[in-house]
Amino acid sequence: AQSVAQPEDQVNVAEGNPLTVKCTYSVSGNPYLFWYVQYPNRGLQFLLKYITGDNLVKGSYGFEAEFNKSQTSFHLKKPSALVSDSALYFCAVRPYGGATNKLIFGTGTLLAVQP
Amino acid sequence: GAVVSQHPSRVICKSGTSVKIECRSLDFQATTMFWYRQFPKQSLMLMATSNEGSKATYEQGVEKDKFLINHASLTLSTLTVTSAHPEDSSFYICSARDALGGTIYFGEGSWLTVV
Repeated sequence: AQSVAQPEDQVNVAEGNPLTVKCTYSVSGNPYLFWYVQYPNRGLQFLLKYITGDNLVKGSYGFEAEFNKSQTSFHLKKPSALVSDSALYFCAVRPYGGATNKLIFGTGTLLAVQP
Repeated sequence: GAVVSQHPSRVICKSGTSVKIECRSLDFQATTMFWYRQFPKQSLMLMATSNEGSKATYEQGVEKDKFLINHASLTLSTLTVTSAHPEDSSFYICSARDALGGTIYFGEGSWLTVV
């Protein structure tokens, strides 16, 4: 079955420190990979995506993610965390060639950045 | 970036009535739109995929007669919750797939409270 795993329910990091939010996936073929952020009582905001090309993808608000095909991972990273980065982060995958263009979401990781 | 507008952001309705939620892509054409439901502190649950000019495809367990979806144009999809019950109270989120770039953008969500 196709799935996305975000193994950490919550990640705590001090402001100014680097952060990593983990994501692994299990899909057939070459997937499209996405990261979204959700602030309380709001919809999801697109951060970045990987389709093809360079494995390191840069996105909004200083975030980046690295696609690792051998480890089937797409971890989200930021060199220096801000308190305002505190939010819920979702990893999602769209199987390449999928008939319905559906996104498969992970369960989300709550990022808490302490001042 | 691309914007998806969702309206209303909050709605309260009485049990037994129907309520309509609109999802508009403001600066791109969306041949495919998606409707999700999100419970507190949980991930998004895909309800249905809405294709412009054709019938929506519902996920298993979602009642198509209760959650009516219409995608009449390339920029508008609507979700109508018919004969609403308190258990339908939830956060409903739509998303739209940019027909050109393939990125999926999300609306801000709609809080439905059925009293």
